[in-house]
Amino acid sequence: ILNVEQSPQSLHVQEGDSTNFTCSFPSSNFYALHWYRWETAKSPEALFVMTLNGDEKKKGRISATLNTKEGYSYLYIKGSQPEDSATYLCAFGRDYDMRFGAGTRLTVKP
Amino acid sequence: ETGVTQTPRHLVMGMTNKKSLKCEQHLGHNAMYWYKQSAKKPLELMFVYSLEERVENNSVPSRFSPECPNSSHLFLHLHTLQPEDSALYLCASSRTGGLGDTQYFGPGTRLTVL
Repeated sequence: ILNVEQSPQSLHVQEGDSTNFTCSFPSSNFYALHWYRWETAKSPEALFVMTLNGDEKKKGRISATLNTKEGYSYLYIKGSQPEDSATYLCAFGRDYDMRFGAGTRLTVKP
Repeated sequence: ETGVTQTPRHLVMGMTNKKSLKCEQHLGHNAMYWYKQSAKKPLELMFVYSLEERVENNSVPSRFSPECPNSSHLFLHLHTLQPEDSALYLCASSRTGGLGDTQYFGPGTRLTVL
């Protein structure tokens, strides 16, 4: 079964806080792990794609790490801003199947 | 703007109606996808087309019928739907269809089946 689990389901932080959330996936036959940001009433937007164990990617205040052996990826946001409020999705790819997690809903309060 | 457009943005239909969702990508990509998002569930991949050939159908009921006439256009034909088919339908495209490719999503069609 190709299940992708994300935790926590939702998160409320204050502006300026740093935060992180987890994506867990089956560690066998790994191909790629994607992170997307989905703001309300907009399209999901790609953040990162990672393919190698130990990969670390960074985009501004957002970074992600990947551990394919144990089957998890972390997404970090440093100094959260209200505009970071969104649902963060991870997606795991194997064969022609792309499975998305249910997402972590982040709310950043000013 | 992601370069992927979807029409209509909202659709209400009865169970006996036939309607179609349209997706168009302006990115020069060779692969296109249909996803469904039901309330409180993850995005579910429905169909994948690569170079206009269908490569994946995740056991979707036959009342959903995709069509990809060329690499820029994708349709989802709907007939005799059920109320549980009410959901957000997202289209996406990627360069080759490979699992390492970034997918670019459209804004979605919010479908309500009465």
